[in-house]
Amino acid sequence: NAGVTQTPKFQVLKTGQSMTLQCAQDMNHEYMSWYRQDPGMGLRLIHYSVGAGITDQGEVPNGYNVSRSTTEDFPLRLLSAAPSQTSVYFCASSRGGAGEQYFGPGTRLTVT
Amino acid sequence: KNQVEQSPQSLIILEGKNCTLQCNYTVSPFSNLRWYKQDTGRGPVSLTIMTFSENTKSNGRYTATLDADTKQSSLHITASQLSDSASYICVVSARGGSQGNLIFGKGTKLSVKP
Repeated sequence: NAGVTQTPKFQVLKTGQSMTLQCAQDMNHEYMSWYRQDPGMGLRLIHYSVGAGITDQGEVPNGYNVSRSTTEDFPLRLLSAAPSQTSVYFCASSRGGAGEQYFGPGTRLTVT
Repeated sequence: KNQVEQSPQSLIILEGKNCTLQCNYTVSPFSNLRWYKQDTGRGPVSLTIMTFSENTKSNGRYTATLDADTKQSSLHITASQLSDSASYICVVSARGGSQGNLIFGKGTKLSVKP
């Protein structure tokens, strides 16, 4: 099992550009989530999904879109990148909402 | 307001020594408490998950305790190794079973020196 994979590992964007961060898991987990991690802030939930076709907002959803067309994939879209979105992004999956979460390796995004 | 507070923010210990990290929470209603280890540049990895009825759980040299009455947890690391250098994150799940009900602490950064 590859677990949770994320691409790309690093990305530099200019303000106003859009991009998609990819996340995939091969554990047949229903729950998937996106977090951002900033120094001194801890992990903050952006969006999450409890199954294919179902998504919901987390603590910091503004500027991000998600969709979940398959169990395996949960991409995160930045519509118009801003410097405030410079962060490390982690995708996670779990079998249930209260179950153990498995995190991907992260994507380090810089917006200039 | 649901909150998870961890202390200390950072800690430096010598290799071979023991240490204890603290987590206090005000999350209600409580479902479970998790400890994660996050190496620099990597994603968090689960160490333990404890429910209301569990007051001690071990994973190798890591032992987590939970006092649901005082809403406190600790992570004890025995005979520390250089590879224990990492951030340790306490996460409390509020009952409801949703990812939106996970409350993350800001972590304790542990440095183990030779």
